[in-house]
Amino acid sequence: GQQVMQIPQYQHVQEGEDFTTYCNSSTTLSNIQWYKQRPGGHPVFLIQLVKSGEVKKQKRLTFQFGEAKKNSSLHITATQTTDVGTYFCTSGTYKYIFGTGTRLKVLA
Amino acid sequence: DTAVSQTPKYLVTQMGNDKSIKCEQNLGHDTMYWYKQDSKKFLKIMFSYNNKELIINETVPNRFSPKSPDKAHLNLHINSLELGDSAVYFCASSPSPGGNQPQHFGDGTRLSIL
Repeated sequence: GQQVMQIPQYQHVQEGEDFTTYCNSSTTLSNIQWYKQRPGGHPVFLIQLVKSGEVKKQKRLTFQFGEAKKNSSLHITATQTTDVGTYFCTSGTYKYIFGTGTRLKVLA
Repeated sequence: DTAVSQTPKYLVTQMGNDKSIKCEQNLGHDTMYWYKQDSKKFLKIMFSYNNKELIINETVPNRFSPKSPDKAHLNLHINSLELGDSAVYFCASSPSPGGNQPQHFGDGTRLSIL
């Protein structure tokens, strides 16, 4: 079945450093969505990418969908303590397959 | 106004008991979901309903029984609770089924089995 792997599983960064999480699939994805879950909170939708090679930006966050539509990345420039949380990618045609998540800790 | 609300927020109970979690959404969405998030933060879909009809039923023990009285409500009943059922259960909704719709999640129900 379809699986979505994310790397790294954990990442600790110093405040102000950049951060990137990668999402990889063994099969071609119809789309990719990214969610953020704060500690103790619930997943919150960030963005959806649909087109091959698509790049979208939200302030300090840059989302990219691979040319082959098998991978995606989320890059945060100059992390802040408010970026702490777990970032999930997800995709699916009839149901959502969530990635394993990347837990980000930002050290002040 | 809370878009997707779950009750209770915390549930602590003994092994072998039966418990229910309720979920309501006021977004007018057709599709609702139950997810289980374990201690390692893995988020796995359990069930999905579209307009009161079951459309996704993952490999879940039949001790778990969802029920959707109308498209705004999706409840989860769990019989004979086991230690491995301890997790956070999230309800979510989306405008329609399929993996291309943003999902809105509830705050979660933290279930602890003693």
